[in-house]
Amino acid sequence: DVKVTQSSRYLVKRTGEKVFLECVQDMDHENMFWYRQDPGLGLRLIYFSYDVKMKEKGDIPEGYSVSREKKERFSLILESASTNQTSMYLCASSYAGRGRPQHFGDGTRLSIL
Amino acid sequence: GQNIDQPTEMTATEGAIVQINCTYQTSGFNGLFWYQQHAGEAPTFLSYNVLDGLEEKGRFSSFLSRSKGYSYLLLKELQMKDSASYLCAVNQAGTALIFGKGTTLSVSS
Repeated sequence: DVKVTQSSRYLVKRTGEKVFLECVQDMDHENMFWYRQDPGLGLRLIYFSYDVKMKEKGDIPEGYSVSREKKERFSLILESASTNQTSMYLCASSYAGRGRPQHFGDGTRLSIL
Repeated sequence: GQNIDQPTEMTATEGAIVQINCTYQTSGFNGLFWYQQHAGEAPTFLSYNVLDGLEEKGRFSSFLSRSKGYSYLLLKELQMKDSASYLCAVNQAGTALIFGKGTTLSVSS
């Protein structure tokens, strides 16, 4: 069974802090993704990575960066957290190739005060 | 531009059949996914369609018409545990998916 593990289920930080969200997958997937999910807006892609040290911007990359130093780990960084980044953050991973489903972690509910 | 539309909410009763529609306008098309998400949980994969037609998987079926930019998810013999959000997502090209806002289905007894 695929396991995508996000480091925290709930996180509270202050505005201006640098925030790290970690995601680890155990299936040797090539692709990894970070989304945020907000009521009425659905899932929106922040960044994704198709290989170690490679990254691509998604639809809403502003205010975020990512790091993928090892194949199994994909980190999302909020450089200077702001209140509008309060959200549910979901990590996903998949094999490369057409039609390969993404497998999601349980999410991190992040509150920026 | 790109746009994926689904109804926001639907209600149905146990044992019934429900059809959740999804229409899309995207600059490319490389397949369409359906996911199920229970409240407070991660989305889980239900189905993938890339060719026109119906794909059946137990109580769930998914249909695609590429010429109409249209898909639906059909849930038969509804159970209470089917109460969840259903997400339609299009793969335009490459790796990334574009998700619709999701349809929240409430099943009552």
